[in-house]
Amino acid sequence: TQLLEQSPQFLSIQEGENLTVYCNSSSVFSSLQWYRQEPGEGPVLLVTVVTGGEVKKLKRLTFQFGDARKDSSLHITAAQPGDTGLYLCAGAKAAGNKLTFGGGTRVLVKP
Amino acid sequence: GAGVSQSPRYKVAKRGQDVALRCDPISGHVSLFWYQQALGQGPEFLTYFQNEAQLDKSGLPSDRFFAERPEGSVSTLKIQRTQQEDSAVYLCASSLVSGLNGRAFFGQGTRLTVV
Repeated sequence: TQLLEQSPQFLSIQEGENLTVYCNSSSVFSSLQWYRQEPGEGPVLLVTVVTGGEVKKLKRLTFQFGDARKDSSLHITAAQPGDTGLYLCAGAKAAGNKLTFGGGTRVLVKP
Repeated sequence: GAGVSQSPRYKVAKRGQDVALRCDPISGHVSLFWYQQALGQGPEFLTYFQNEAQLDKSGLPSDRFFAERPEGSVSTLKIQRTQQEDSAVYLCASSLVSGLNGRAFFGQGTRLTVV
């Protein structure tokens, strides 16, 4: 059973469209991270959110942490082919040593 | 090097063989993590080192899996008597500070295929 559920599993859109990826859990996390992973590479950290209700923006990417710190979303505005990749959310528990990853959302942005 | 280096990048093993996967973390990084990523899935935690001490090995799937970091730098993940279900990408990550207090940098991974 995946502790963090991501949806959708796969998303194919045209360049210029917007998209949202969701990360949901029944557990509370002290922080949540979003990564992007390209084929043959390791995940690369995009952002960390730590406060319930927090919103962070990174250029065209907007990340939100739910008020109860159980869920998060990633919104991409005007997607570009360079946004193509596997997006992973990962939660951390207080005083823990491990990240719990979601199953990932594979995003394909077609030119 | 500037990043986390893993070797080999690809490993094909016959079922029953032993394998050793190496991770060179970023110099000076205190924390080192191993994760297993099955095809089409997110990474799953295997084990965590703080310097040379293995503080958490709760994710190791069986006693066939063993990890060490004897001098607090390079780490080796060893899998004995490999099985087909061990086929996955093994990712190593390191962080400057202890636990999850700092940013973790991932290597490119070792893709293990057991045939």
